[in-house]
Amino acid sequence: DIHMTQSPSTLSASVGDRVTITCRASQSISNWLAWYQQKPGKAPKLLIYKASSLESGVPSSFSGSGSGTEFTLTISSLQPDDFATYYCQQYNTDSPYTFGQGTRVEIK
Amino acid sequence: EVQLVESGGGLVQPGGSLRLSCAASGFTFSDHYMDWVRQAPGKGLEWVGRSTNKAHSYTTEYAASVHGRFAISRDASEKSLYLQMNSLKSEDTAVYYCVSWISGMGYWGQGTLVTVSS
Repeated sequence: DIHMTQSPSTLSASVGDRVTITCRASQSISNWLAWYQQKPGKAPKLLIYKASSLESGVPSSFSGSGSGTEFTLTISSLQPDDFATYYCQQYNTDSPYTFGQGTRVEIK
Repeated sequence: EVQLVESGGGLVQPGGSLRLSCAASGFTFSDHYMDWVRQAPGKGLEWVGRSTNKAHSYTTEYAASVHGRFAISRDASEKSLYLQMNSLKSEDTAVYYCVSWISGMGYWGQGTLVTVSS
């Protein structure tokens, strides 16, 4: 199985900060990577798919980049509604679609 | 609009069984891969298993943690995905989500809670 390593596990930031979360795959997954936002008691919400494509309705402050084994999610200016937990997921063909451990973004 | 609605969760004793359902609408059910994903209380997301699409004969695969105990099936006429869970353990306690993969995007249901406890 492909192992996903996400960092950091917790991130303390202030409103207006630029925030970057990293996800590393144990082998190349091309651009088959998604980023989700999850709030307590809610299902994960898709933000980014195919590494850099923004899901419809998601603010343009969110962006994704990377290919192969290294990926990043960037929030250009953190808003109060963005404090949540973020997960990456690889969906390379014919492999279990494994997740990163999650990054909790909390108020500094 | 893609919609996935899970049901069937509840409280079950260790060693017991439960069947979860996922009702799908808004897309051609037979054309797309579908997964079950779970999240234990306070923990991260764990992929449970998959049903491929009709073109791939609806083959299934499972995480090692559930292989041999859980089984995924589909009813195309009902546009429903199922997760039959047998020999349940306390560590299977989680919210279970169904996910449909369409055009490289994962669409999620709202989840259903399974609690395994005596």
